[in-house]
Amino acid sequence: KNQVEQSPQSLIILEGKNCTLQCNYTVSPFSNLRWYKQDTGRGPVSLTIMTFSENTKSNGRYTATLDADTKQSSLHITASQLSDSASYICVVRGGGADGLTFGKGTHLIIQP
Amino acid sequence: GAVVSQHPSRVICKSGTSVKIECRSLDFQATTMFWYRQFPKKSLMLMATSNEGSKATYEQGVEKDKFLINHASLTLSTLTVTSAHPEDSSFYICSAERGGYETQYFGPGTRLLVL
Repeated sequence: KNQVEQSPQSLIILEGKNCTLQCNYTVSPFSNLRWYKQDTGRGPVSLTIMTFSENTKSNGRYTATLDADTKQSSLHITASQLSDSASYICVVRGGGADGLTFGKGTHLIIQP
Repeated sequence: GAVVSQHPSRVICKSGTSVKIECRSLDFQATTMFWYRQFPKKSLMLMATSNEGSKATYEQGVEKDKFLINHASLTLSTLTVTSAHPEDSSFYICSAERGGYETQYFGPGTRLLVL
């Protein structure tokens, strides 16, 4: 069964600090992996999307990595800001007719 | 980037009434649209997938007669919650996918409260 596991479930850090969120998946075959940011009461917004051949991709202060061999991805946030407080969702797309498998998300809180 | 809108953003209705939620792709043609439901502090749950001009494909456990989906054009899909009950109160989110891009663009969501 395709699964996407995210850790930690929640995280609280001080403004200005860095943090790394983890995503492990069992989806096979693999097509791509996306990280989304979802503010409370809003729809998810795409941060990065990576295919099998990509092992790192940046979007401003967000840097995602992908190890397709170990089926692991991480999202690193640099110099966190209060506006980074949100849920971060890892989504993996399988190959062929497979749809998307969603992780349960990491709830990140940035404290001043 | 691609923009997906939803209307209304928030709706309160009485039990037994029907509610229609619209999802529009504003600057691209969406070959496929998806409808999700999300309960507080839970992950997104896919309800159904719809392709323009054909019947929607519902996920297991989702009642097709209760959640009517119409994908009449490449830029508009509607979800109608029929005979809504308090347990249907939730956050409904749509997403749209452009053919060949393999990226879903999510709408801002619709908060439904059934009294």
